[in-house]
Amino acid sequence: EAAVTQSPRNKVAVTGGKVTLSCNQTNNHNNMYWYRQDTGHGLRLIHYSYGAGSTEKGDIPDGYKASRPSQENFSLILELATPSQTSVYFCASGEGQSGNTLYFGEGSRLIVV
Amino acid sequence: GDQVEQSPSALSLHEGTDSALRCNFTTTMRSVQWFRQNSRGSLISLFYLASGTKENGRLKSAFDSKERRYSTLHIRDAQLEDSGTYFCAAEDQGGSAKLIFGEGTKLTVSS
Repeated sequence: EAAVTQSPRNKVAVTGGKVTLSCNQTNNHNNMYWYRQDTGHGLRLIHYSYGAGSTEKGDIPDGYKASRPSQENFSLILELATPSQTSVYFCASGEGQSGNTLYFGEGSRLIVV
Repeated sequence: GDQVEQSPSALSLHEGTDSALRCNFTTTMRSVQWFRQNSRGSLISLFYLASGTKENGRLKSAFDSKERRYSTLHIRDAQLEDSGTYFCAAEDQGGSAKLIFGEGTKLTVSS
């Protein structure tokens, strides 16, 4: 069973502060993704990665950085958090080959006050 | 940019009935995936299709192999536990591995 673990699961941050959301996968998947989901909407892609050392911009990368230091770990960094970044963030991993089924973490709820 | 349009946005079914959800794509897509999000927010993969159809129990999904511009998810004999929000996500032909999500269909099954 694919295992993707996110931390923290819940976070309250102050405007202008730095927030780091961490994601770990134990499946040796090449691809990893960060999405955000806002109430009543689908998921929007922020950053993704093809493997260690790789980060790619998704559809809404502004205000976010990503880091993939190893195959297992993919972090999302908000250097200067703003209230508009209040959301639920999902990490996912996928094989990267044909049949790129995504496995999601349980989500991280971030509130920026 | 590429878009994924899901319909309907909300659906109410009685137990035992059948229905279908649809995803339309504004361009040809390489593959499609269907997910269900439960009340706790967890996203569960239901199907991955690069072509054709797949079936799992009372769920069946199809991806238009010719035009590659739409996909459907059929629910047979709906049960209370099928309630949740269903998302489709598609990967474009460029092979970037980016998945674009639709806005979801909120399904409520009642007795």
